[in-house]
Amino acid sequence: GAGVSQSPSNKVTEKGKDVELRCDPISGHTALYWYRQSLGQGLEFLIYFQGNSAPDKSGLPSDRFSAERTGGSVSTLTIQRTQQEDSAVYLCASSLRLRQETQYFGPGTRLLVL
Amino acid sequence: GENVEQHPSTLSVQEGDSAVIKCTYSDSASNYFPWYKQELGKRPQLIIDIRSNVGEKKDQRIAVTLNKTAKHFSLHITETQPEDSAVYFCAATGSDDKLIFGTGTRLQVFP
Repeated sequence: GAGVSQSPSNKVTEKGKDVELRCDPISGHTALYWYRQSLGQGLEFLIYFQGNSAPDKSGLPSDRFSAERTGGSVSTLTIQRTQQEDSAVYLCASSLRLRQETQYFGPGTRLLVL
Repeated sequence: GENVEQHPSTLSVQEGDSAVIKCTYSDSASNYFPWYKQELGKRPQLIIDIRSNVGEKKDQRIAVTLNKTAKHFSLHITETQPEDSAVYFCAATGSDDKLIFGTGTRLQVFP
């Protein structure tokens, strides 16, 4: 079956521009997560959504970052006024439910801010 | 919140040897501990997980052990092969349901 998909796969932008990253979770998965992975580093939690509950935004590094999830499916991560330190791979994952479930990762969006 | 530490950061072994990666966690309420493998340029993939009601779990050449008292868990890979070369991440789910990852271990298996 179809896994988690993300688009675009690569994004190059200029400092100060806004970017939108998209995630399509596995159909039927109610939980969706965003992570950031800088080059050679671990996975930094950003935000998660569970069903219709309010998202946990505690990992967002600044107010330039926001995310939404429409209709309990597709999610968009938006970074406003991008900075060079935002350059990283942004990974999305989904799981059937929230607790103690395998997270399935998408291929990631590689963001480069010039 | 949960804090996960992982050691070593890099590990080199000869093909056929065993590899052990260790993680510690801080939240005593954590009850789910997955391990992910990430090959170069690819997405992380779950290789094995363990829950707090179990002390050890095996899947062919891979095993994970959990010591809840000491708050640490380990990944053991036996009879390593070159295709085991990757970055391995441990993770723990804390009381707030967030999955917190360790910093990763780069494993290199030399033929």
